[in-house]
Amino acid sequence: NAGVTQTPKFQVLKTGQSMTLQCAQDMNHNSMYWYRQDPGMGLRLIYYSASEGTTDKGEVPNGYNVSRLNKREFSLRLESAAPSQTSVYFCASSEAYRGVHGYTFGSGTRLTVV
Amino acid sequence: AQTVTQSQPEMSVQEAETVTLSCTYDTSESNYYLFWYKQPPSRQMILVIRQEAYKQQNATENRFSVNFQKAAKSFSLKISDSQLGDTAMYFCAFADSNYQLIWGAGTKLIIKP
Repeated sequence: NAGVTQTPKFQVLKTGQSMTLQCAQDMNHNSMYWYRQDPGMGLRLIYYSASEGTTDKGEVPNGYNVSRLNKREFSLRLESAAPSQTSVYFCASSEAYRGVHGYTFGSGTRLTVV
Repeated sequence: AQTVTQSQPEMSVQEAETVTLSCTYDTSESNYYLFWYKQPPSRQMILVIRQEAYKQQNATENRFSVNFQKAAKSFSLKISDSQLGDTAMYFCAFADSNYQLIWGAGTKLIIKP
């Protein structure tokens, strides 16, 4: 049972480059999320998808786009990377609204933009 | 704005001791969910315990328990018989009605042998 799988685990980008972070869950969860974690701070929500076919902005959406490809997959795209986007990115999923049974997280992607 | 505050940036205790991590939050909602997550050096975010605000009984999971004081908006985590594997960052989080998990800044817990 893999849970939530994120790829890649590490990435270095040059300013202005683009990339897509991939996330897949095998728990048949309805809701999926993308967070970023910066030093000394808790996680901040970038985008979420409450159910297949819907996506909504979170707290810090600027500079990102997302795609809920199907129930399993939720990708995060950086169109033109900036140093301020250097962070650790986490994908998460939950069975129900507001994660009433808890959220399951991937192992994270450490992204450095130089 | 809803906020979560963890006032202890770092704590350390001896193995087998009991330790309590503090968390306070601010919200105008009446029904919500609270979580404690553990993040070991592996970076994986692991759910430790969850509490539903409408339940008065404090949640427990083996050596982990919470002291939930709704009126005081306090949600502390108690770890009994601490083990070396408990060394990690611990995050308190609040789930609001807009799908967002609001996170505290975390407490670094070190268990000393």
